[in-house]
Formats: sequence, structure tokens, C-alpha cells
Amino acid sequence: ETGVTQTPRHLVMGMTNKKSLKCEQHLGHNAMYWYKQSAKKPLELMFVYSLEERVENNSVPSRFSPECPNSSHLFLHLHTLQPEDSALYLCASSQDLIIGDSLFSGANVLTFGAGSRLTVL
Amino acid sequence: KQEVTQIPAALSVPEGENLVLNCSFTDSAIYNLQWFRQDPGKGLTSLLLIQSSQREQTSGRLNASLDKSSGRSTLYIAASQPGDSATYLCAVRPGGYSTLTFGKGTMLLVSP
Repeated sequence: ETGVTQTPRHLVMGMTNKKSLKCEQHLGHNAMYWYKQSAKKPLELMFVYSLEERVENNSVPSRFSPECPNSSHLFLHLHTLQPEDSALYLCASSQDLIIGDSLFSGANVLTFGAGSRLTVL
Repeated sequence: KQEVTQIPAALSVPEGENLVLNCSFTDSAIYNLQWFRQDPGKGLTSLLLIQSSQREQTSGRLNASLDKSSGRSTLYIAASQPGDSATYLCAVRPGGYSTLTFGKGTMLLVSP
């Protein structure tokens, strides 16, 4: 148990379904991340939230919609996905330092959840 | 754009061997470098974090080195065990305000 919990662990959905992935961290961190891990590819950063504000969005299709209602919870809402969206979706958190408008991720380690394995039929 | 390469992509060794995993990155202006372990179908576990000002970090049988000027890091595993079998990922943080760039990983299999 890393302190970052993801649910569900496995999800199978059709292309017309709407579902959500949930991430919860119990570490008191102030930044949360969604990563996508596809076979044979490096982890791809999707979204970064710091203090519940989205600070990074890496050109992710709009069929993925993140939500961060508070610093402990992060959601990824899914709708009209494609089979190529099938992957392991990893949530992570870290304790980052905010100075003015700048976010310093400095020395701090990312803590990952176990992932949600998504299959789109 | 920062790119991270890990060699070899896969490695199979008998138990007890000392081994080295390699990571290279194209932009030497990094803030820090992190090594992770990932078991099949699971999330990532952080192993070692090296700041750009450091040369190496050690944890138990693991030793990670960093040569920022040449854009390289190595993860040394001493006296390998079957429980070390996993995929090892290297990731760099390009700057103070930025997130990690990952390599594709090295899949390690240690046979009894």
C-alpha cells in the first residue's frame, strides 16, 4: 500500500459508455497526476493538478476529462473512448512547493497508485 | 524535447549476478533523476532519487549513479535475486517546474 489508491483496478467498457476512474491519496500531498501506460511505450503524462488547479494538460483528447475536487481526490472521466485508449492508467501524487505562480517539484518523489487497467471494446 | 532511452530493453540473468541497467537522456539540464520498479500489472515504486548536484545514491543492494554532463545514469543491482524480477524505469525531471519524462524501461528476469 503506497498511500495512493486507485479504483477500479480493472474496467471494461464499450465505446459509447461513460465511466470514471478514481484516485485518492492519504499522504497529505498537494499535487496529483494522471499518467497513461500503453504497451511498448513510455509513460505519458496526461494531466497535473496542483492545489486543485490544473497546471498541465498534455494535449489529451477531450474524451478524457479530469476533475480534482480537493487535494486528496482526482478523477478521470471517460466517454466515447476508442480501442486504442486501452491502457494502464496510473495516478501519482507528490508534495510540491508553490511560490507565486511557480511550482517547484524539486526534490520530491512521486508516489504512484497500482493503476486502473482499462479495456475499451 | 527531452528523450530518455533505456538499454537493454530486456535482461535475463541467473541468481547471484551483479548487473547494470543503463539510462541515457538527451538534455543534460535536468533537475533530478528517479529510478522506479514496476511489477507486472502494478503501479510504480520509487527506488532512488538523485538530485542533479549528486553523483550517486544507494539503497541496500541498489546503487544509482548520475553523470549529468554525459547524460547518463546507471542502476547497479548487487547479488541479484528472483524477487528483483520486474521492469525498471528511469525518469528525469527536466527543470524545477516540469514533470517526469520516462524511458520505456528494462524488463529484468532473475532465474533461480
